[in-house]
Amino acid sequence: GQQVMQIPQYQHVQEGEDFTTYCNSSTTLSNIQWYKQRPGGHPVFLIQLVKSGEVKKQKRLTFQFGEAKKNSSLHITATQTTDVGTYFCAGLQVADSWGKFQFGAGTQVVVTP
Amino acid sequence: EAQVTQNPRYLITVTGKKLTVTCSQNMNHEYMSWYRQDPGLGLRQIYYSMNVEVTDKGDVPEGYKVSRKEKRNFPLILESPSPNQTSLYFCASSLSWRRAGTDTQYFGPGTRLTVL
Repeated sequence: GQQVMQIPQYQHVQEGEDFTTYCNSSTTLSNIQWYKQRPGGHPVFLIQLVKSGEVKKQKRLTFQFGEAKKNSSLHITATQTTDVGTYFCAGLQVADSWGKFQFGAGTQVVVTP
Repeated sequence: EAQVTQNPRYLITVTGKKLTVTCSQNMNHEYMSWYRQDPGLGLRQIYYSMNVEVTDKGDVPEGYKVSRKEKRNFPLILESPSPNQTSLYFCASSLSWRRAGTDTQYFGPGTRLTVL
């Protein structure tokens, strides 16, 4: 079945530094979504990528979808303490009559002031 | 206010005692899901529903049941809970999954279940 792997599992970052988290699928995805979960909270949608090679930016966050639609990355520049949380990618695989989401295990981000 | 609600938020129970976790959304969404979240494993889909009376298994359906009799409600049933079902459970809904842009999932606040 579809597997979505996410690395790294943990990321310690000094405030002001950049970091990247990666998401890889064993199968081609219809689209990929990214979510952020603050400690004690629930996942909140950040962005969706649909097209091969797509790049989207949200302020300091840059999201990329690979050409083969099997991998994705989230790059955060100038990390702030508000970036603390766990970032999940979620791949959507669809067929004629069904659509299933599969989440990566998440990257837990800790920011040191 | 558009939202997904879950009840209860916290539950401690004993092995074998049937329980139901309710989930309701007020956004007229077609697609609803249940996930469990465990450390190091991320979110794993238990069951999902594409519309009323249409449900299908996710990746970890064993030990769970669901029903979708109305569009807004999608309860999760544990007929005979066991300790390995101790977890954090999230319900989620989206407008659809058929068209990109309508499949953004909105998550409920979570239900923390402990089975002794």
